[in-house]
Amino acid sequence: TQLLEQSPQFLSIQEGENLTVYCNSSSVFSSLQWYRQEPGEGPVLLVTVVTGGEVKKLKRLTFQFGDARKDSSLHITAAQPGDTGLYLCAGGAGRRALTFGSGTRLQVQP
Amino acid sequence: GAGVSQSPSNKVTEKGKDVELRCDPISGHTALYWYRQRLGQGLEFLIYFQGNSAPDKSGLPSDRFSAERTGESVSTLTIQRTQQEDSAVYLCASSLGPGGGWTDTQYFGPGTRLTVL
Repeated sequence: TQLLEQSPQFLSIQEGENLTVYCNSSSVFSSLQWYRQEPGEGPVLLVTVVTGGEVKKLKRLTFQFGDARKDSSLHITAAQPGDTGLYLCAGGAGRRALTFGSGTRLQVQP
Repeated sequence: GAGVSQSPSNKVTEKGKDVELRCDPISGHTALYWYRQRLGQGLEFLIYFQGNSAPDKSGLPSDRFSAERTGESVSTLTIQRTQQEDSAVYLCASSLGPGGGWTDTQYFGPGTRLTVL
């Protein structure tokens, strides 16, 4: 069974601070996706990374896929209240179903 | 349609009753997925439909759970003889497919919150 562990589980910070969320596994994934979910809504895809060592930037968000494709990180610079939500990583491996992590709940205080 | 829609948005039922949840995917999307999300948790895969292929039912937790999809349109998830542990948000997603497999962008609906008393 493939498992994805996310840390921290909960993070409360002040507006303007930086933060990093981690997604780790003992298994190798062919792709890694990050989603953000707001209350009462479904998750929305932020990024897909497929190459070991890949780094993608989306405005203030930086995503990295580990060299061995077992881990990933999401770094947010100068967090804003609009970044508040549940961040989920999801690993893909061939035709098997995506494996989702348990999520990191981020609260950005104004 | 503009996005994935699900109905009902909320469902409260008594233990032992059957429930049926509906998902309308984005028009033209051949792939459809059902997930379960318990409070404060990540998503648990339930079932995956791709075109006319046999569905991947490997995530269904018991034989009380079943799902159908008519062609490339509406899908229904049925839970028979509901139990309290079935209480969760049930999310549906669709993607363009085929070929991209699980790296396709999945577009999620808002979910159905099921409460079993």
